[in-house]
Amino acid sequence: EVQLLESGGGLVQPGGSLRLSCAASGFTFSSYVMSWVRQAPGKGLEWVSGISSSGGSTYFADSVKGRFTISRDNSKNTLYLQMNSLRAEDTAVYYCAKDRWTSGHSSFDYWGQGTLVTVSS
Amino acid sequence: EIVLTQSPGTLSLSPGERATLSCRASQSVSSSYLTWYQQRPGQAPRLLIYGASSRATGIPDRFSGSGSGTDFTLTISRLEPEDFAVYYCQQYGSSPLTFGGGTKVEIK
Repeated sequence: EVQLLESGGGLVQPGGSLRLSCAASGFTFSSYVMSWVRQAPGKGLEWVSGISSSGGSTYFADSVKGRFTISRDNSKNTLYLQMNSLRAEDTAVYYCAKDRWTSGHSSFDYWGQGTLVTVSS
Repeated sequence: EIVLTQSPGTLSLSPGERATLSCRASQSVSSSYLTWYQQRPGQAPRLLIYGASSRATGIPDRFSGSGSGTDFTLTISRLEPEDFAVYYCQQYGSSPLTFGGGTKVEIK
């Protein structure tokens, strides 16, 4: 059974940093593209960042480019999102999502339950 | 960036009725790389349809997707109580990946 378990969310002040983790199991993690998708309270879904199966290629939404970095440790089956210079508008539930494809970006066939990030003073 | 516009914003229907949801793209979605998700309150999104018309594993056949180019449709043939939720479309034909704003299907 595929499982994605996010952690690391919490309350942070504007300008602060936070690192999210996503522990994956039930599939060959190193074979798949992975992404982070967020959802602000009461709002829709926004793709944030993606990473190739090897970790060699990374992709970001314009709204987070230069502030967020994505990485993965295939030996630990774990995906990360380092978030710096956080703003109030980054407040959201952050989901880890598994891509259906092994290269490029497609749609997401498995999602974690999400971790809430609140940026507020 | 491809902008996806979903309509209507809210659909009020009764169990057993047919639901038709629209997703319109600001430019053509290549290879019909269009996906539909269902999101129930307090839950993560669930993949329903990919490639515009292919049902994901375990999705009941009352859900169907159609369309190409800029106009796509999700149809739920007979609404079951568990189908009342928010539905999102997403395109993966070009970068960045984008989602529509969602359609809420509520009980009338």
